[in-house]
Amino acid sequence: DTAVSQTPKYLVTQMGNDKSIKCEQNLGHDTMYWYKQDSKKFLKIMFSYNNKELIINETVPNRFSPKSPDKAHLNLHINSLELGDSAVYFCASSLQGAADTQYFGPGTRLTVL
Amino acid sequence: QQQVKQSPQSLIVQKGGISIINCAYENTAFDYFPWYQQFPGKGPALLIAIRPDVSEKKEGRFTISFNKSAKQFSLHIMDSQPGDSATYFCAASKGSNYKLTFGKGTLLTVNP
Repeated sequence: DTAVSQTPKYLVTQMGNDKSIKCEQNLGHDTMYWYKQDSKKFLKIMFSYNNKELIINETVPNRFSPKSPDKAHLNLHINSLELGDSAVYFCASSLQGAADTQYFGPGTRLTVL
Repeated sequence: QQQVKQSPQSLIVQKGGISIINCAYENTAFDYFPWYQQFPGKGPALLIAIRPDVSEKKEGRFTISFNKSAKQFSLHIMDSQPGDSATYFCAASKGSNYKLTFGKGTLLTVNP
């Protein structure tokens, strides 16, 4: 069974479009995260959620809106996509906080044309 | 402001050699230091982690050395294998914080 799953794996879209990425974890963890990995492999946290509550919003443009319908899901909606949004987006989860092992999903490669 | 500085950016090692990757941090409140390993096309996965109450932690061929006074920690991979070829990230967090700050990564290539 996949611990952290993301859909879709690949997303190719035009500038200005709106898209969503879904994430689910079956580990029973309380904390979930979204990371952005750019073309230079730099891994940067975007959001942290604990028990469905937003804890960290790391100066991400408000075109990015995360939503956590329950503890097992954290989705990412992106409005008005820009070229600079092209990256790999990783969802992750941990038991409780960043000092616990984070389990990453397989990533979603977003390409904005 | 880069709170965790990682070097080198890339590293080429022969099979059987020792790979060493270094990280330095600025925030003295950091108290958890993991290393993550990422293979191409996959998400990062925890390799090994250390807390500042010990100076070294070893798991198989992987060792973290920690120097609290110098605010540095390093990953040593003994007897490096081609299967170790991956990108390695150091990271740090503090207390019950919900943020893990990553270094910029090191691309390790182990030649057969």
